[in-house]
Amino acid sequence: DTGVSQDPRHKITKRGQNVTFRCDPISEHNRLYWYRQTLGQGPEFLTYFQNEAQLEKSRLLSDRFSAERPKGSFSTLEIQRTEQGDSAMYLCASMGQYNEQFFGPGTRLTVL
Amino acid sequence: EDKVVQSPLSLVVHEGDTVTLNCSYEVTNFRSLLWYKQEKKAPTFLFMLTSSGIEKKSGRLSSILDKKELSSILNITATQTGDSAIYLCAVPTLTSGTYKYIFGTGTRLKVLA
Repeated sequence: DTGVSQDPRHKITKRGQNVTFRCDPISEHNRLYWYRQTLGQGPEFLTYFQNEAQLEKSRLLSDRFSAERPKGSFSTLEIQRTEQGDSAMYLCASMGQYNEQFFGPGTRLTVL
Repeated sequence: EDKVVQSPLSLVVHEGDTVTLNCSYEVTNFRSLLWYKQEKKAPTFLFMLTSSGIEKKSGRLSSILDKKELSSILNITATQTGDSAIYLCAVPTLTSGTYKYIFGTGTRLKVLA
């Protein structure tokens, strides 16, 4: 499968725990995005990487959130001290040469 | 502030009906508009419309961009139950060299057998 992959697909955690999600983009895409989607809403932009450089972060991304893309390939999104309000679908997308975005299957986070 | 608005928010039709979904946008430096279909998982890409490609068609789905009205429509003819999904419209904005997509809230379509 040469599409975008994400791991895990589902994560249930207790409030206060840390979680980390992984995204593997389409191999030839150097641009990678993280989004958060809650019920009844479209995806909301969180952060963007071009190669290994994190070029933009949304105001939605509090200091409990951190993202990395150390070698310009896969990326990780970590949430520290999770809160119930963090429960959402976390989507990763990579961008092709014509600026179309292809999404991974998402990681659904439930914080109890 | 850049924004994308979709209407209606939800729609229920019967198989065989034709539906039209709307997306309007207000963004600086418009370049393209994308339509996605989202079932119980991540959005899947349908169409990209640009100034040089204002109409796209794939099977029973078609989309038109109206740059004058700052809007786009997505048409689905002869709807099937498998068309039931959320249809998302997204417009990229370019800020300080970074492309960022702004999504509408989506139109939830339910097709009844």
